Amino acid sequence: DAKTTQPPSMDCAEGRAANLPCNHSTISGNEYVYWYRQIHSQGPQYIIHGLKNNETNEMASLIITEDRKSSTLILPHATLRDTAVYYCIASDKLIFGTGTRLQVFP
Amino acid sequence: GAGVSQTPSNKVTEKGKYVELRCDPISGHTALYWYRQSLGQGPEFLIYFQGTGAADDSGLPNDRFFAVRPEGSVSTLKIQRTERGDSAVYLCASSRTSGHLYNEQFFGPGTRLTVL
Repeated sequence: DAKTTQPPSMDCAEGRAANLPCNHSTISGNEYVYWYRQIHSQGPQYIIHGLKNNETNEMASLIITEDRKSSTLILPHATLRDTAVYYCIASDKLIFGTGTRLQVFP
Repeated sequence: GAGVSQTPSNKVTEKGKYVELRCDPISGHTALYWYRQSLGQGPEFLIYFQGTGAADDSGLPNDRFFAVRPEGSVSTLKIQRTERGDSAVYLCASSRTSGHLYNEQFFGPGTRLTVL
């Protein structure tokens, strides 16, 4: 199971894009990259996942580098409700680290 | 539609007591997961059910912890002889797919367990 490294915290102005990086240099070829987020006092919420190609859904975009050793989650227009802890997971078994605490400010 | 529900939302117990935590997954979801989350940490995997059977219980910390899912739907996490270190939020999740691969897990709100 690949270990992930994320910055402990980030700030983003409301309406701007939030770019959350994640390193997963030990990821193996068949392991997906997942992103979840956890808003205070709630259970985690699935955002997006990918293997090799970049992915986009209604919540976010996921950019995975060609060597798959890192990825970036992009929230294109952050809102105050996006304030949460964001977890990057690079293993088939969801092994959560401590994530990135994203604070969106007005 | 109904999401994953967990009861009770809060449980306070004394050291040494037995507790049961219940999880009702989304209808039709075959996979069910239990996690434990301590303050300031990410969720920690405990056990995963595929149907009625525990497919992976490698995260259970010791034999005081046990979980069942007798009919392949509702699951109960059982903790015997509780210790203060068991205090945490216990999260349950369910997913449609079997196995861990690209599964979108839907989490419940958790049960906050406090052992005095």
